[in-house]
Amino acid sequence: EPEVTQTPSHQVTQMGQEVILRCVPISNHLYFYWYRQILGQKVEFLVSFYNNEISEKSEIFDDQFSVERPDGSNFTLKIRSTKLEDSAMYFCASRRPPGQANNEQFFGPGTRLTVL
Amino acid sequence: GQQVMQIPQYQHVQEGEDFTTYCNSSTTLSNIQWYKQRPGGHPVFLIQLVKSGEVKKQKRLTFQFGEAKKNSSLHITATQTTDVGTYFCARGIYGTSYGKLTFGQGTILTVHP
Repeated sequence: EPEVTQTPSHQVTQMGQEVILRCVPISNHLYFYWYRQILGQKVEFLVSFYNNEISEKSEIFDDQFSVERPDGSNFTLKIRSTKLEDSAMYFCASRRPPGQANNEQFFGPGTRLTVL
Repeated sequence: GQQVMQIPQYQHVQEGEDFTTYCNSSTTLSNIQWYKQRPGGHPVFLIQLVKSGEVKKQKRLTFQFGEAKKNSSLHITATQTTDVGTYFCARGIYGTSYGKLTFGQGTILTVHP
């Protein structure tokens, strides 16, 4: 069964450093998302991406964040200058093309980001 | 605004007991999705409800969508230790919003054998 993959599983970085979190969505999906989950809290939407551009972003997704789909398979989240409060689990998700029966989002296993 | 409130935050049950979690919104929901997250895992889709008053069953799980489409519930009959995890409801927003999910706070279920 196809699945969303994410690398690395755990990233430790120093405050102020740049990090890139990588995702490979399911191949025939067209909508891509990043969510984050601070330990013990709910899953929060960061950004949605469709047709090679950001379609929506939350207040969390400020100028320090960017997303790219550089090669048609990878989908990356970059944090330019990490802050302590960026420490969280980051989930990538993808969704089938429109018109499908369900709007189910398929989540990857996540990248745990720890900012020291 | 578009938040969904979920209760209870925690539920501890003995194996074999039933479990229910509730999701409420102050505004009408176009749809509601339910996800399960095992400890240390990622959210996994369980179901989507779209129609007013809809009831769907998956083995021991029963999902309901309120008549006014402002609330939903997930009921598990005769819990098993494999049911342990956090259950989230999420409102899906489509049309111009490209399907972002707004999650509730989740209900953490622990099952004592």
